[in-house]
Amino acid sequence: SSELTQDPAVSVALGQTVRITCQGDSLRRYFASWYQQKAGQAPVLVSYGKNNRPSGIPDRISGSSSGDTASLTITGAQAEDEADYYCNSRDSSGNRLFGGGTKLTVL
Amino acid sequence: EVQLVESGGGLVQPGGSLRLSCAASGFTVSGNYMNWVRQAPGKGLEWVSVTYGGDGTNYAESVKGRFTISRDNSRNTVFLQMNSLRVEDTALYYCAREGEGVTMVRGVINYYYYMDVWGKGTTVTVSS
Repeated sequence: SSELTQDPAVSVALGQTVRITCQGDSLRRYFASWYQQKAGQAPVLVSYGKNNRPSGIPDRISGSSSGDTASLTITGAQAEDEADYYCNSRDSSGNRLFGGGTKLTVL
Repeated sequence: EVQLVESGGGLVQPGGSLRLSCAASGFTVSGNYMNWVRQAPGKGLEWVSVTYGGDGTNYAESVKGRFTISRDNSRNTVFLQMNSLRVEDTALYYCAREGEGVTMVRGVINYYYYMDVWGKGTTVTVSS
């Protein structure tokens, strides 16, 4: 199917590790990219490819992939990591796909 | 500075039309995949359309036949012509540049894509 599935909400205690997952058939062929969106702001790219981070993104944020599942891991979550996170890929026709988004709460 | 600035949003009645613009600076739109992505109030991101190469385009099923993406390389601008607008097209519309890369995983070539530059968006409201 040409869909990407994410858990709607995840919570993590301050300083702990959290993994946000994204599942879809297209991820067997293409790496996911991940975006962080804070309230009232445009999305920001935080991870892409095998495990690449744009400049300015802290190294506590990392991406990985296995089979049909991509993961975004935040090691030592900080209050500023609280945001919505979206995965993105494409299907075999070249149409882009977004997951439904995961709301991360840092407790 | 690499930047995208969207404009052209507004209030329109159902069945009406709008043309959105996305002006790029710091890079050329002709050499990149350029996307439109929208976000309805309180909802997630929804991909709308992409333009690439010479005349390559793709559209989400929800807008196919109603929306048209185009580029004016001389103005370094991407457009989204939206016709037959529906209430459900109400959203904040973002323009985004998309890059691509390639890597080897266990001897197999894997391509990856990423939207690395986003504008702040322009709001479209479809209502009577």
